[in-house]
Amino acid sequence: AQKITQTQPGMFVQEKEAVTLDCTYDTSDQSYGLFWYKQPSSGEMIFLIYQGSYDEQNATEGRYSLNFQKARKSANLVISASQLGDSAMYFCAMSPGGSEKLVFGKGTKLTVNP
Amino acid sequence: DSGVTQTPKHLITATGQRVTLRCSPRSGDLSVYWYQQSLDQGLQFLIQYYNGEERAKGNILERFSAQQFPDLHSELNLSSLELGDSALYFCASSVALNEQFFGPGTRLTVL
Repeated sequence: AQKITQTQPGMFVQEKEAVTLDCTYDTSDQSYGLFWYKQPSSGEMIFLIYQGSYDEQNATEGRYSLNFQKARKSANLVISASQLGDSAMYFCAMSPGGSEKLVFGKGTKLTVNP
Repeated sequence: DSGVTQTPKHLITATGQRVTLRCSPRSGDLSVYWYQQSLDQGLQFLIQYYNGEERAKGNILERFSAQQFPDLHSELNLSSLELGDSALYFCASSVALNEQFFGPGTRLTVL
């Protein structure tokens, strides 16, 4: 069965610094997708970034980049130049091969300190 | 704003009751997904519809059912509600495999 592991329940970072949120996944599929979502305290789920398993380059979206290491089955999210508004829960998710459903990790709570 | 709308935003009801959650996908999106977020189970996939047809099923209880209508909006019906059904229910929609945009969610409280 597919599984997403986020080992950091909470992370703290100073404003303007970069932070890496860890995500490892377990799947026997060759084709899959990896996603990161942000959930602020207001509750909505905000799509941040996507990486396909066959994409050779790491995905980037503005201040977000996904450090994809296929052999290690990791898909870490890097947030550069953290802002106070980045304080939120961050979820890593995977869409297993041939499926569009998302399997989520338990999340990491990021706190950005001024 | 993701473009996915969900109503109601909050719902408070009693055990044993039945409720209906509604979702309108982004314009042009044919797929609708339902997820449940609870403290003990985390975020779980419930069910997916594509252009009116059920496409995938996850950990959805038999007391729960869903459908997608010709105008592509979807409804999630929860019946014989239990305290443990209290959760945030999300609808998401997509037109491609590399994206799923979530609605604001419906917070269900069962008393």
